[in-house]
Amino acid sequence: AQTVTQSQPEMSVQEAETVTLSCTYDTSESNYYLFWYKQPPSRQMILVIRQEAYKQQNATENRFSVNFQKAAKSFSLKISDSQLGDTAMYFCALMIGEYGNKLVFGAGTILRVKS
Amino acid sequence: DVKVTQSSRYLVKRTGEKVFLECVQDMDHENMFWYRQDPGLGLRLIYFSYDVKMKEKGDIPEGYSVSREKKERFSLILESASTNQTSMYLCASSPPGGRPLEQYFGPGTRLTVT
Repeated sequence: AQTVTQSQPEMSVQEAETVTLSCTYDTSESNYYLFWYKQPPSRQMILVIRQEAYKQQNATENRFSVNFQKAAKSFSLKISDSQLGDTAMYFCALMIGEYGNKLVFGAGTILRVKS
Repeated sequence: DVKVTQSSRYLVKRTGEKVFLECVQDMDHENMFWYRQDPGLGLRLIYFSYDVKMKEKGDIPEGYSVSREKKERFSLILESASTNQTSMYLCASSPPGGRPLEQYFGPGTRLTVT
């Protein structure tokens, strides 16, 4: 069975600072994908960033980057230059294979950006 | 842009009622999903469908059924609503295999069963 663990229920950060959200996962599969999704208050969930397990290079999308440690099964999200609009629930998710399309989610981390 | 819509943002039903939650996507996606979201548990997959009239159970299918008669529409049915089904329900869709593998989510339906 696949599991995803987010150990930080809530976090806060000052505007313009950097914050890292933690995620660990467990799977015996070799072909998988990892995602971070963002759910702003009362708004739809959107994809922030994804990482293919076979790629060693960490994914980056503008101010968002990941630290993918395959051996440790760790997949943290770093948000640089935090903005008020980054306030949201963040979910780490795992997908096995390329065609399964099923996601296993962590419990989520509420991030509050303070001005 | 992909758009996934859900029939209601908020719904209040009584115990024992039959409840229909509707989801429509406009991007011709083959795959559609129903999740429930609960505090401290994240999102859990109820059912998914990879084609019209095709469905598979997810991790928590008990008490739910689904219907997919048309490609763009995926319905979640609570045959006899119970208070432990009070939750946020999220629908999602995605294209088959390959890139970009992203799931697109609807705004959610917050269901309260009293």
